[in-house]
Amino acid sequence: DGGITQSPKYLFRKEGQNVTLSCEQNLNHDAMYWYRQDPGQGLRLIYYSQIVNDFQKGDIAEGYSVSREKKESFPLTVTSAQKNPTAFYLCASSITPPGIFQETQYFGPGTRLLVL
Amino acid sequence: AQSVTQPDIHITVSEGASLELRCNYSYGATPYLFWYVQSPGQGLQLLLKYFSGDTLVQGIKGFEAEFKRSQSSFNLRKPSVHWSDAAEYFCAVGVTGTASKLTFGTGTRLQVTL
Repeated sequence: DGGITQSPKYLFRKEGQNVTLSCEQNLNHDAMYWYRQDPGQGLRLIYYSQIVNDFQKGDIAEGYSVSREKKESFPLTVTSAQKNPTAFYLCASSITPPGIFQETQYFGPGTRLLVL
Repeated sequence: AQSVTQPDIHITVSEGASLELRCNYSYGATPYLFWYVQSPGQGLQLLLKYFSGDTLVQGIKGFEAEFKRSQSSFNLRKPSVHWSDAAEYFCAVGVTGTASKLTFGTGTRLQVTL
């Protein structure tokens, strides 16, 4: 079955530690996205990538980094510079890079990051 | 910049009753509009979307939404709610000609009483 997988489901971070969240898709989608979800705040865009080897900052990129070396994969690293990382992180993908029209984004099951 | 408002943080309805969740957007041109549903601890599932054409859009699970340009609204409706519809619902707006950025509302949590 085609879809988006995120791992791990739960992740614990110690003070000063970098952690990496995995996102893989087998939908052959070009574009991929990372969102952060906090209670009562909806979803906020962290980073997005329209094609391999290219990515752009979203609205809240500070303290995060990404890479896009393969079409199927878009890992997110939460660095020690992110002072309030506790949140639910959602990865999404869409079929084509944006151009004339908006493509639907499909979401993975999410990773909950907790700080020890 | 575009924005989305979901004025109701929490709504409770009885099973079998009708439902309407409100969504208002702010955007200068014709937006692309989406409704997603999220069960606790899960990702988002697309319910329906509006890109163009007929302003009444049918989605999955018996949901529908109507785009009203004059009111800048895209309210979600269901004629008869089932207990399994209890979840959080998000409205989102996307724009044309830019990087694919969706702007989400803050969500409406639906509780269904038996």
